[in-house]
Amino acid sequence: GQQLNQSPQSMFIQEGEDVSMNCTSSSIFNTWLWYKQDPGEGPVLLIALYKAGELTSNGRLTAQFGITRKDSFLNISASIPSDVGIYFCAGQLTSGTYKYIFGTGTRLKVLA
Amino acid sequence: DSGVTQTPKHLITATGQRVTLRCSPRSGDLSVYWYQQSLDQGLQFLIQYYNGEERAKGNILERFSAQQFPDLHSELNLSSLELGDSALYFCASSPSGATYNEQFFGPGTRLTVL
Repeated sequence: GQQLNQSPQSMFIQEGEDVSMNCTSSSIFNTWLWYKQDPGEGPVLLIALYKAGELTSNGRLTAQFGITRKDSFLNISASIPSDVGIYFCAGQLTSGTYKYIFGTGTRLKVLA
Repeated sequence: DSGVTQTPKHLITATGQRVTLRCSPRSGDLSVYWYQQSLDQGLQFLIQYYNGEERAKGNILERFSAQQFPDLHSELNLSSLELGDSALYFCASSPSGATYNEQFFGPGTRLTVL
């Protein structure tokens, strides 16, 4: 079945550093979503992308919809301790079912 | 707060039992999705309903079933429970049929099978 490869799997960074993570696939997606999940909580939507090449920001977060429509990137600038959590990408394959495929997640730990 | 509600928050039961998880989507959202998340795992898509009808199926076991009611709330039924069914179960909703189809997640139900 379709898969989303998300990398890196985990990151340890110092507070104040910038963070980059990405999702890639062999499939083409119509929409990309980026979520953050805290332990035991539901994923919270961070950014939604709808067009190839689109670059969207939400505070210190910036995400891009790859021009091939097979990948997406999330950057976090000037990380802070509360950025810790698991970040998931999700790609929507077809508009008929509105079904999303989720990446395996990037576990981010910020060292103060 | 995403606007999606799930009950109960926690559920502890024994193997072989049957449980029902409930989800109320955001006001106006027609689609409901169910996901399973095992410990330290990603989100596994189970099933989607759109306006009362099943729209897409993922890796849902035959022991599991779901439905969406006329008021658009949804229930996920898990039967003949096994230890491996212990997980977080999330419901998400989206508008569907509109240009923007973000999924919004509920807080989840943590199921523990003993």
